[in-house]
Amino acid sequence: AQSVTQPDIHITVSEGASLELRCNYSYGATPYLFWYVQSPGQGLQLLLKYFSGDTLVQGIKGFEAEFKRSQSSFNLRKPSVHWSDAAEYFCAVAFNDMRFGAGTRLTVKP
Amino acid sequence: NAGVTQTPKFQVLKTGQSMTLQCAQDMNHNSMYWYRQDPGMGLRLIYYSASEGTTDKGEVPNGYNVSRLNKREFSLRLESAAPSQTSVYFCASNEGSSSGRLNEQFFGPGTRLTVL
Repeated sequence: AQSVTQPDIHITVSEGASLELRCNYSYGATPYLFWYVQSPGQGLQLLLKYFSGDTLVQGIKGFEAEFKRSQSSFNLRKPSVHWSDAAEYFCAVAFNDMRFGAGTRLTVKP
Repeated sequence: NAGVTQTPKFQVLKTGQSMTLQCAQDMNHNSMYWYRQDPGMGLRLIYYSASEGTTDKGEVPNGYNVSRLNKREFSLRLESAAPSQTSVYFCASNEGSSSGRLNEQFFGPGTRLTVL
C-alpha cells in the first residue's frame, strides 16, 4: 500500500544543535516530495520540495532535505536549530494525490 | 494578496447541528481542497475540486458535502454534526494544471471545530 511515514512523533533538541527529521515513503515509483511546517495555530507552510534533479534540496529558513531513492527517504535537516523552529513538521508525497505523514513535533530547549 | 482565507476560525456545535465552513483564495488557482487534521494522523483529504464545477471525494468524505461556488470559493458542509467530526479543518489550493494537482498546496489558517 502507498504510504508516507514519519517515525518520530516528537523530537527535542537544544538550541544550536543540528536537526534531522525522518521521512520514508512506500510507492511504486518516485513521487513528488515535500516538507511543510506548521506553527501553533497556523496553517501549513512549504519549506521545500523535490520533483527531480539534484537530490539535495535547499529550502527556506535554512532547511535542506536529501532524497535517497535506495532508501525511499526524504529526510529534513538543519545545521543549527533556532528557538523559532519549534513547530510541527509534515512530510508529504504526491503521486496520484497528496498524502501527508502524521507529523513530527519539534521542541527546542534553550 | 490574502492567499487562502477561512471562516470561522473557531466553532462549537451540538450533535446534529449543521454548519458550513467557508474558504476563499485570491491566487487564481484552479484546484481547491478540504482536509481535516487529527492528532497523530496528519492531514486527511475530505474532498477536492480539481477545477470550477467539479468535486471529488477524498480519503474521508463521509458526513461531509462540498460546493465549488466559483473559482475563488470552496465550502464544506456538515449536515448533521457528530462528535467524531471534532477536528481542525484546513482549506488549501494550488494551480491544478495537467500535473498541478501534485504541486505545492497553499493552506489557510484553519477552522477549529468542536462537536459536543
